[in-house]
Amino acid sequence: EAQVTQNPRYLITVTGKKLTVTCSQNMNHEYMSWYRQDPGLGLRQIYYSMNVEVTDKGDVPEGYKVSRKEKRNFPLILESPSPNQTSLYFCASRPGGLSYEQYFGPGTRLTVT
Amino acid sequence: AQSVSQHNHHVILSEAASLELGCNYSYGGTVNLFWYVQYPGQHLQLLLKYFSGDPLVKGIKGFEAEFIKSKFSFNLRKPSVQWSDTAEYFCAVNANAGNMLTFGGGTRLMVKP
Repeated sequence: EAQVTQNPRYLITVTGKKLTVTCSQNMNHEYMSWYRQDPGLGLRQIYYSMNVEVTDKGDVPEGYKVSRKEKRNFPLILESPSPNQTSLYFCASRPGGLSYEQYFGPGTRLTVT
Repeated sequence: AQSVSQHNHHVILSEAASLELGCNYSYGGTVNLFWYVQYPGQHLQLLLKYFSGDPLVKGIKGFEAEFIKSKFSFNLRKPSVQWSDTAEYFCAVNANAGNMLTFGGGTRLMVKP
């Protein structure tokens, strides 16, 4: 089944404790992105990747890091999480070329205390 | 920078009522337009998309949307809603074939049985 998976689905952590949220897609998509969803703000793009080893900042990159060492994986790293990073995070992927339809993962609900 | 506005934050309708959700964007060039739906506890799913051609596009579950270029709008419609349409709806814009997908703040629809 074609899908985007994320782990963990739920995470509660404390300020300053480094964490990684994994994202994997099995559709051989070139583009991958991370979004955060906050009430009333919709989804805001954190980072995106156009291919292996090619990443760029989205609208709200501060406090986040990403890497794209393999085509299928695009982990999101919070080196020193803070309470304002409490949010619902979505990973998404799409093929290259003229197809701009994105396929979303199930989401990761992160709480930073 | 492009932006997307959804003016209705919360909409409550009775079953069989007609639905129209507004979406306006601010970008003067070529755009690709999307409506996504997020059912409670689930990830985003694509309802419909507009890339070019007929400005009236039909999507899944009886939804349609009309692109009006002169008004920078892409409103979502459904003639008769069902209780199962209760969800949050997001309009999104990809401008000029770039890598960014910008979302509106979302509209939470509740359909009363």
